[in-house]
Amino acid sequence: NAGVTQTPKFRVLKTGQSMTLLCAQDMNHEYMYWYRQDPGMGLRLIHYSVGEGTTAKGEVPDGYNVSRLKKQNFLLGLESAAPSQTSVYFCASSFRPDGAAQHFGDGTRLSIL
Amino acid sequence: EDKVVQSPLSLVVHEGDTVTLNCSYEVTNFRSLLWYKQEKKAPTFLFMLTSSGIEKKSGRLSSILDKKELSSILNITATQTGDSAIYLCAVPMNRDDKIIFGKGTRLHILP
Repeated sequence: NAGVTQTPKFRVLKTGQSMTLLCAQDMNHEYMYWYRQDPGMGLRLIHYSVGEGTTAKGEVPDGYNVSRLKKQNFLLGLESAAPSQTSVYFCASSFRPDGAAQHFGDGTRLSIL
Repeated sequence: EDKVVQSPLSLVVHEGDTVTLNCSYEVTNFRSLLWYKQEKKAPTFLFMLTSSGIEKKSGRLSSILDKKELSSILNITATQTGDSAIYLCAVPMNRDDKIIFGKGTRLHILP
């Protein structure tokens, strides 16, 4: 009964380092999303995918890249981390495109020093 | 520019009170509005409102869509401490499957 699993849960990086956040879902959902959440800012969409092999930019895509090579996995990459990317990152998946009934992971807390 | 605005941003009430949270939107070709509740970690889905389903209710929570005023309200009656959370409103964009969230209302219920 895993749902959406994000790894890692916490990470501290130095400016300029790179890393990849992994999101895995076991519900056979087509739609997957990466959000960031900053204090007082709600959720902001970084990138999303409407199916295996597809990706698209959200509201705040700069500094991030994504890949969806397998339907169940959605990877978020930071090529050269910056302090402005310190945030809590949430992955979500859904069987429908209208944002309803999204299942969210528990988040990854990322700090960039 | 498409946007979703929630108010108030923060609210503190006593247990048993009734609260009303607001969400207004400006989007092209509106089709639906979503409410999510976020407690400690992941947001959980509450309601979806559309032109054909402008009112939803679940226990003490209810929500109404006002297409004329381009807004929605979320009502919680007889609040309990377990209702303390961030309530998020979101609107999917019709043209490209993006989803725009508001900044959320942080609700705190005092015992």
